[in-house]
Amino acid sequence: GAVVSQHPSWVICKSGTSVKIECRSLDFQATTMFWYRQFPKQSLMLMATSNEGSKATYEQGVEKDKFLINHASLTLSTLTVTSAHPEDSSFYICSARDTAGGGAPYEQYFGPGTRLTVT
Amino acid sequence: GNSVTQMEGPVTLSEEAFLTINCTYTATGYPSLFWYVQYPGEGLQLLLKATKADDKGSNKGFEATYRKETTSFHLEKGSVQVSDSAVYFCPGRDDKIIFGKGTRLHILP
Repeated sequence: GAVVSQHPSWVICKSGTSVKIECRSLDFQATTMFWYRQFPKQSLMLMATSNEGSKATYEQGVEKDKFLINHASLTLSTLTVTSAHPEDSSFYICSARDTAGGGAPYEQYFGPGTRLTVT
Repeated sequence: GNSVTQMEGPVTLSEEAFLTINCTYTATGYPSLFWYVQYPGEGLQLLLKATKADDKGSNKGFEATYRKETTSFHLEKGSVQVSDSAVYFCPGRDDKIIFGKGTRLHILP
């Protein structure tokens, strides 16, 4: 149980285009999901906390107009990188918290990540 | 809030060596503690966890004991393998998991 999927697993897009990444909790409900990004050989940086049915909470320094987050259902959150540029190339990882009692309190389950390359 | 201090890497060991990666925490109360592992090119996997003091988490030959007297959760393995080469994270958390730089482990054959 407690599986989180991401789609796509990798994507290449041209500079100036937008790309959407999906994060799904497959066997549990997640009112809260988290988006992280990771540069090569560096740590995961928390970008934002996504709350179902409300606006995301962004960490300091993360552009909310650049990284649009939508959490429309209890099993799906999406991250859209708008007007992507090469510096947005990174590994994006989502995480979901099981808030329906199926797991340990506040335990987060991580997706496999999406590698974005902007050319 | 809660925070952790993790041993910086990289750590390079020969196969079958004993491994310790240090992790100490500061916290109010006794939060659950975790170790995550990230293999090259992959996402994060939960390696083990402990939810209360004196608990021992274990998985794949790795162990970590939640020690309140030393506020530590050190990761250990008695005999490492090349396949253990990865980055290991002992994250801090309040309401969400915050990652540090992790410890990169290289195991030489």
